[in-house]
Amino acid sequence: DVKVTQSSRYLVKRTGEKVFLECVQDMDHENMFWYRQDPGLGLRLIYFSYDVKMKEKGDIPEGYSVSREKKERFSLILESASTNQTSMYLCASRPRTGTSNQPQHFGDGTRLSIL
Amino acid sequence: AQSVTQPDIHITVSEGASLELRCNYSYGATPYLFWYVQSPGQGLQLLLKYFSGDTLVQGIKGFEAEFKRSQSSFNLRKPSVHWSDAAEYFCAVGAQTGNQFYFGTGTSLTVIP
Repeated sequence: DVKVTQSSRYLVKRTGEKVFLECVQDMDHENMFWYRQDPGLGLRLIYFSYDVKMKEKGDIPEGYSVSREKKERFSLILESASTNQTSMYLCASRPRTGTSNQPQHFGDGTRLSIL
Repeated sequence: AQSVTQPDIHITVSEGASLELRCNYSYGATPYLFWYVQSPGQGLQLLLKYFSGDTLVQGIKGFEAEFKRSQSSFNLRKPSVHWSDAAEYFCAVGAQTGNQFYFGTGTSLTVIP
């Protein structure tokens, strides 16, 4: 089974802090994704990466950046956290394009609160 | 543009009753379709998927879904709901090219005894 592990289940940070959310997958998937989930809005894509050091903006990249130095690890960075970034963050992975009938596999999420 | 609509924000059913969760999609070609379930405080778990072939697909936990191209729908069904089915359900469409998935806004299911 695919295992996607997010480093923290709950995180509390202060406004203005730089915040790192970490995600690791163990299935050698090329594609990795970061979403945020808010009530009534479903999942919104922040960034995705299709290879090491490669990234693409999703629908809501403002205020976020990402890092993919190794294939198995995809980090989401909040450069200067703000209260409107309080949310549930979900990481997912998927095999490379061309196997697009494959689902995304999700981690358990990180519930981030910015005070 | 691709999109997924789940018209029901919240549904309440009695335990043992049947369930149908609606999903409509907008996509320019043959879609790849998925249903996920999210229990409280958890990530998303894949229930089932449709790529091609038989339009009625079976998934885990006794769920099934039917793809109807003429209605652009992919509704999720279960003949008899259990209390443990209370969760949030998401429909998603996957692009045939590119990497993005498009998710609906979810349907929250409450099961009453």
